Amino acid sequence: QTVVTQEPSLTVSPGGTVTLTCASNTEPVTSGHYPNWFQQKPGQPPRALIYSTSSKHSWTPARFSGSLLGGKAALTLSDVQPEDEADYYCLLYSGGAYVFGTGTKVSVL
Amino acid sequence: QVQLVQSGAEVKKPGTSVKPSCKETGYTLTHYYIHWVRQAPGQGLEWMGKINPSGRVTDHAQKFQGRVTMTWDTSTTTAFMELSSLRSEDTAIYYCAILARTTATDFWGRGTLVTVSS
Repeated sequence: QTVVTQEPSLTVSPGGTVTLTCASNTEPVTSGHYPNWFQQKPGQPPRALIYSTSSKHSWTPARFSGSLLGGKAALTLSDVQPEDEADYYCLLYSGGAYVFGTGTKVSVL
Repeated sequence: QVQLVQSGAEVKKPGTSVKPSCKETGYTLTHYYIHWVRQAPGQGLEWMGKINPSGRVTDHAQKFQGRVTMTWDTSTTTAFMELSSLRSEDTAIYYCAILARTTATDFWGRGTLVTVSS
């Protein structure tokens, strides 16, 4: 059973930078897992920010970037804005099935 | 304009089944998957499975083996996800979504709240 782990919570100051990671308990995360990243705000469905490791959707702010880092998928938020406060989830693909990460709550203080 | 319109909230008793629906309109590509994702109150997202409308091919998370059935009605372009043997832990918002691994595809329904309570 694949478990995908993220930091439970992170706090960042406005204008700062924070990196969220996404790790699998079965193997290093690679581009073959096609990591996706989603942002979810209270009372709303999730919305994708990143697909296929580092590609952005048309609505994804330039300050968000995806990458692979030391066997994990990573989402970096630069020049963080107050509206970036939200829950963030990664999604990994493996053998026809998908697994969401445990989620990271990002607070902007 | 792609839209995924989900059915209304439901209250079910333990041991019964629920079958929320997801009507898709406006998506023009022929090869895509409709995914089902759930979120229990105050909890994270959980991928349940997916169905390919054109080929009726499905995959689901091992956790739901034997309890979940995903179907597609071509005449109404509606996806259904039936979950059986309900228990209180199945109380959640159930979302349908069109997602893709390698293309900028991201469409979500508003979700169906399913409450399992005796």
